[in-house]
Amino acid sequence: GEDVEQSLFLSVREGDSSVINCTYTDSSSTYLYWYKQEPGAGLQLLTYIFSNMDMKQDQRLTVLLNKKDKHLSLRIADTQTGDSAIYFCAESDNSKLTFGKGITLSVRP
Amino acid sequence: KAGVTQTPRYLIKTRGQQVTLSCSPISGHRSVSWYQQTPGQGLQFLFEYFSETQRNKGNFPGRFSGRQFSNSRSEMNVSTLELGDSALYLCASSSRTGDNSPLHFGNGTRLTVT
Repeated sequence: GEDVEQSLFLSVREGDSSVINCTYTDSSSTYLYWYKQEPGAGLQLLTYIFSNMDMKQDQRLTVLLNKKDKHLSLRIADTQTGDSAIYFCAESDNSKLTFGKGITLSVRP
Repeated sequence: KAGVTQTPRYLIKTRGQQVTLSCSPISGHRSVSWYQQTPGQGLQFLFEYFSETQRNKGNFPGRFSGRQFSNSRSEMNVSTLELGDSALYLCASSSRTGDNSPLHFGNGTRLTVT
């Protein structure tokens, strides 16, 4: 079955880049997603990438996809305190998303 | 454009009761999915509705059910509540079904079962 793995915690200094990694198992996934969750809130769609792409850039966000290794990463440039949150990667299979456990990103001043 | 709206935001129920949660998708979106989020199990898929038909269902007992109306609004119902049903229930909508469009989530309904 599908499985998505993420590390649990990352701490970075404000202004540095953050890199969040994720591995997935379902090679048939069409989309791979990154969502952000702040305390008490739902999931905010940050970005997504088609499985036939290697890279997608969207302002401060860069997504890299290594389909051979089933590895997805999200790079946040110039990380700000407002980026502190839990980040989830997810793979899709026929509209059903399978999420990782989420990584807590802590940005220190 | 308004986002996905879920009501109520918070609910407290007693074991054995039933509960109904409501979700209004983004205007024009016809697919609605429901997810349960708990600290132990993380985010788990409950079901997806498109054009008033359930397209996909996760591994949850029959106490969890849902429906979709002709205006794409959706409700989910949990009967005979158990303590383990305490969770954040998230609704997501997308413009199409299948893997053709991204899912946008609401802020969720926090259900506490005592």
